[in-house]
Amino acid sequence: GAVVSQHPSRVICKSGTSVKIECRSLDFQATTMFWYRQFPKQSLMLMATSNEGSKATYEQGVEKDKFLINHASLTLSTLTVTSAHPEDSSFYICSARVPRVLGYTFGSGTRLTVV
Amino acid sequence: GNSVTQMEGPVTLSEEAFLTINCTYTATGYPSLFWYVQYPGEGLQLLLKATKADDKGSNKGFEATYRKETTSFHLEKGSVQVSDSAVYFCALSPFDGNQFYFGTGTSLTVIP
Repeated sequence: GAVVSQHPSRVICKSGTSVKIECRSLDFQATTMFWYRQFPKQSLMLMATSNEGSKATYEQGVEKDKFLINHASLTLSTLTVTSAHPEDSSFYICSARVPRVLGYTFGSGTRLTVV
Repeated sequence: GNSVTQMEGPVTLSEEAFLTINCTYTATGYPSLFWYVQYPGEGLQLLLKATKADDKGSNKGFEATYRKETTSFHLEKGSVQVSDSAVYFCALSPFDGNQFYFGTGTSLTVIP
């Protein structure tokens, strides 16, 4: 079946540094990918929608300059958390729509801890 | 607006016990409803879904019925196994869109 590979699964970084999270579709082309975030005891919330070859669409309240999304190819989307702060510590997960199938596949998620 | 309220966990059950995880929703229009499961170290996987009222989704012994009158989509399984230990997410997708609205997730641990 359609698989999205997400890396890293866990990352710890210092405040002020940047962290890149990658999502790759392994056996299909993903023209659209979605990035979600989950704070402790809260729901998974959509952050942004990335479209191959164009700018991402961010949900209200999500800082586009802080969460840089690049979808330069049909199999790779990246989320870069710039100048990370402890409040950015969260669980990030990507999702892609599977072509010709009315469904979505998800990555395994990234647990980011900023110290 | 759209939102999902899911039973808080964690839930710990003995093997062969009956499982219910409650999920209620608010939505505009006629959403599709889903249960996703995340096993340790893996991505979210679709467990079951229902696209209209009174539909019952089922998979791997799990069932959930789309109840419009109570705006609910409770997940049930008659006899859980250790291998069912995972985090379960209830979600809805509006009729017109790609976006999912998730609940908070419920962690289930099944002990032998």
